[in-house]
Amino acid sequence: GNSVTQMEGPVTLSEEAFLTINCTYTATGYPSLFWYVQYPGEGLQLLLKATKADDKGSNKGFEATYRKETTSFHLEKGSVQVSDSAVYFCALSPAKGSGAGSYQLTFGKGTKLSVIP
Amino acid sequence: DTGVSQDPRHKITKRGQNVTFRCDPISEHNRLYWYRQTLGQGPEFLTYFQNEAQLEKSRLLSDRFSAERPKGSFSTLEIQRTEQGDSAMYLCASSSGRRTSTDTQYFGPGTRLTVL
Repeated sequence: GNSVTQMEGPVTLSEEAFLTINCTYTATGYPSLFWYVQYPGEGLQLLLKATKADDKGSNKGFEATYRKETTSFHLEKGSVQVSDSAVYFCALSPAKGSGAGSYQLTFGKGTKLSVIP
Repeated sequence: DTGVSQDPRHKITKRGQNVTFRCDPISEHNRLYWYRQTLGQGPEFLTYFQNEAQLEKSRLLSDRFSAERPKGSFSTLEIQRTEQGDSAMYLCASSSGRRTSTDTQYFGPGTRLTVL
């Protein structure tokens, strides 16, 4: 079946540090890939997405590139801020036409990021 | 567009009681999803509706769980004879259902259930 593996947290960084959160996946074909963010006390928000190999999703200074050869979708940001403190979830949606479960999102366990001033 | 809303935000109940949650999707979104999230884990898929039809159910959805979307708009998720293991955050999401390359799901704030 489909699965998503994220790096274990928590991750603690100083403000303006470089961020990488690793995400790898297992799925057939070409799934769509997502990063969702959950700020304290709030619901999941879509951060960025990529739908085909070599696509780069970007938003709010965050980027992730869909790497089919390594089945990865690592999240990066060049300079984190205190306001980026949240839990980040990598997720996949199966390739269209892959049958039952085509609309289910499969999530990783989440990585908690804390940014200190 | 006011986003996906869920009610209540918090529910505390005693074991054995029945509970019902409501989800209002983004207007004109055809697809509606329910997920469950336990502490320290990512959300897990429970069920999915295309308009009023329930098209997929996870094996996580035991026979104590039932979901409806009677008019293809809001949805309810009922849990009968609650157990302590049902304690979790219940998330609702909706998507447009348009035939685009990706049908992005947008999530509500969730209902946190605590079973005593």
